[in-house]
Amino acid sequence: AQRVTQPEKLLSVFKGAPVELKCNYSYSGSPELFWYVQYSRQRLQLLLRHISRESIKGFTADLNKGETSFHLKKPFAQEEDSAMYYCAPIHRWGAQKLVFGQGTRLTINP
Amino acid sequence: EAGVAQSPRYKIIEKRQSVAFWCNPISGHATLYWYQQILGQGPKLLIQFQNNGVVDDSQLPKDRFSAERLKGVDSTLKIQPAKLEDSAVYLCASSLGWGGFYNEQFFGPGTRLTVL
Repeated sequence: AQRVTQPEKLLSVFKGAPVELKCNYSYSGSPELFWYVQYSRQRLQLLLRHISRESIKGFTADLNKGETSFHLKKPFAQEEDSAMYYCAPIHRWGAQKLVFGQGTRLTINP
Repeated sequence: EAGVAQSPRYKIIEKRQSVAFWCNPISGHATLYWYQQILGQGPKLLIQFQNNGVVDDSQLPKDRFSAERLKGVDSTLKIQPAKLEDSAVYLCASSLGWGGFYNEQFFGPGTRLTVL
């Protein structure tokens, strides 16, 4: 069965501190992995995808196939990073059905 | 900029009543998705359309939920009759296509349904 686990429902860090949001997945085949973000009063939107190997708003995510993890990291948190973050794998081909984790609410304290 | 439009934004009904949600995807997007997001959970896909055909409706409770996408553009999601556990935010999303390289999904603002 396809499963995504984000172990922390809530995460609170101080501005300037490092941030790591954890994501573990159980998924058949070789999925692509994504992080979606929802800022207050805004729509759910794509933050980054592992295949692009890019840094978005200072965030990076490394796919660890051995540990089946895709943790999201940022070395220095900013107040504007406060949001709800969702990890989501998807089949590379075909119907492209996203399976979302339960989400982590990140709060950056000033 | 034009994005995915949904209406209504909020709806309160009593159990056993019927309700319908409307979605207008981004122009030119062939694929349309309906998700249900219960409080404290991530979005769950209910149904996916490619143009006006259903690609996946494996998690749609077909005894009470129905959806259509006539003419391959707008879509409506209906619940009849509603139950208390249907209280959730219903999200519509669209993407250019499906298959091949991932097509980013763009989400609407959602409709918050409260069933009393």
